[in-house]
Amino acid sequence: DAGVIQSPRHEVTEMGQEVTLRCKPISGHDYLFWYRQTMMRGLELLIYFNNNVPIDDSGMPEDRFSAKMPNASFSTLKIQPSEPRDSAVYFCASSFSLNTIYFGEGSWLTVV
Amino acid sequence: GDSVTQMEGPVTLSEEAFLTINCTYTATGYPSLFWYVQYPGEGLQLLLKATKADDKGSNKGFEATYRKETTSFHLEKGSVQVSDSAVYFCALSLSTSGTYKYIFGTGTRLKVLA
Repeated sequence: DAGVIQSPRHEVTEMGQEVTLRCKPISGHDYLFWYRQTMMRGLELLIYFNNNVPIDDSGMPEDRFSAKMPNASFSTLKIQPSEPRDSAVYFCASSFSLNTIYFGEGSWLTVV
Repeated sequence: GDSVTQMEGPVTLSEEAFLTINCTYTATGYPSLFWYVQYPGEGLQLLLKATKADDKGSNKGFEATYRKETTSFHLEKGSVQVSDSAVYFCALSLSTSGTYKYIFGTGTRLKVLA
């Protein structure tokens, strides 16, 4: 299997711009997760979906962040407007029936 | 609440030294336990797991035993290599009454010197 695929791998954007991160989970997986990793806060769960339905978005930092999963093979995480403190590595991950989580390689976001 | 506690890093060892990274957990039910490893510039990847008490997970020379009596899942390796330098995360997954949790520890950075 191809694994969890994320794009873009690296993005540098200016403050105030909209950022869209994309994720293709492993085929057949029913859970999809978005995590954020920073030096200060470590690994944080932002939101997760089960069968394309958002289950827990309590980790989403504020209204500037939104996530969608229109179908079983695609999800987006959007930040609008972006701020420098959003600079981080954003990981998408998927799993089958709450077992092992498989991570993508991450999207490295820098907001200047 | 449910949680995972790892030893603070960084851990610095010489090549061929014995490694232990401590992990303890608090959980209301019966979690599955995991160790993930993150190499520089990469995502986390599963290293090993154990799904019930007394299970031993092992992979690439690493081992961890699910100890229910001490609520621990310590990671060990008998002889580390420079290539083992990475950040190691302990995690648990738990599903109770339709609520799902997957909790990661804060990570322990390991540096192995040649």
